[in-house]
Amino acid sequence: KNQVEQSPQSLIILEGKNCTLQCNYTVSPFSNLRWYKQDTGRGPVSLTIMTFSENTKSNGRYTATLDADTKQSSLHITASQLSDSASYICVVSHLSGTYKYIFGTGTRLKVLA
Amino acid sequence: GAVVSQHPSWVICKSGTSVKIECRSLDFQATTMFWYRQFPKQSLMLMATSNEGSKATYEQGVEKDKFLINHASLTLSTLTVTSAHPEDSSFYICSARPSGREHDTQYFGPGTRLTVL
Repeated sequence: KNQVEQSPQSLIILEGKNCTLQCNYTVSPFSNLRWYKQDTGRGPVSLTIMTFSENTKSNGRYTATLDADTKQSSLHITASQLSDSASYICVVSHLSGTYKYIFGTGTRLKVLA
Repeated sequence: GAVVSQHPSWVICKSGTSVKIECRSLDFQATTMFWYRQFPKQSLMLMATSNEGSKATYEQGVEKDKFLINHASLTLSTLTVTSAHPEDSSFYICSARPSGREHDTQYFGPGTRLTVL
């Protein structure tokens, strides 16, 4: 069964600290993996996208890694800011005729001052 | 570029009425658009795939007669919730896939909050 699992479910950190979010997937065949940030009451916004041949991708303070062998990905946030408080969703694209997105359950991050 | 808008951003309606939500790709054409529903503290759930000029494909468990989808042009898809009930209250998000470029990239709209009283 094609699934995407994320951990932790929620996380609270202090402003300025770093954190790492995890994503494990069983989607096959795999096209690519994306990390999205979703603010409360808003649509998801893309942070990074990686194909199976890419190991890391950065976007400012966000760095995503991918291990296609173990089917694991992580999103590292450096020097967190209050505005980083949001849900972070790992999405795996299924390599099929419709390239359907398989969504993870998300990690809710709260950054405190 | 790649901006997707939704209208309205929020709507409150009485039980039994119908509500139409629009999804527009503002600066690109989209052969395929997707409609998702998101309940509090849950991730997005795909409801249906909308293809321009043809019938939508609904996911298992989604009533096609209750959630009417029309994709009449390459920049507009609409979702109509018919005879809405309180359990239909949710956050509805659409996404659009550009025609021909990066074939599996979806760009998401800002969402529409539906509250049925």
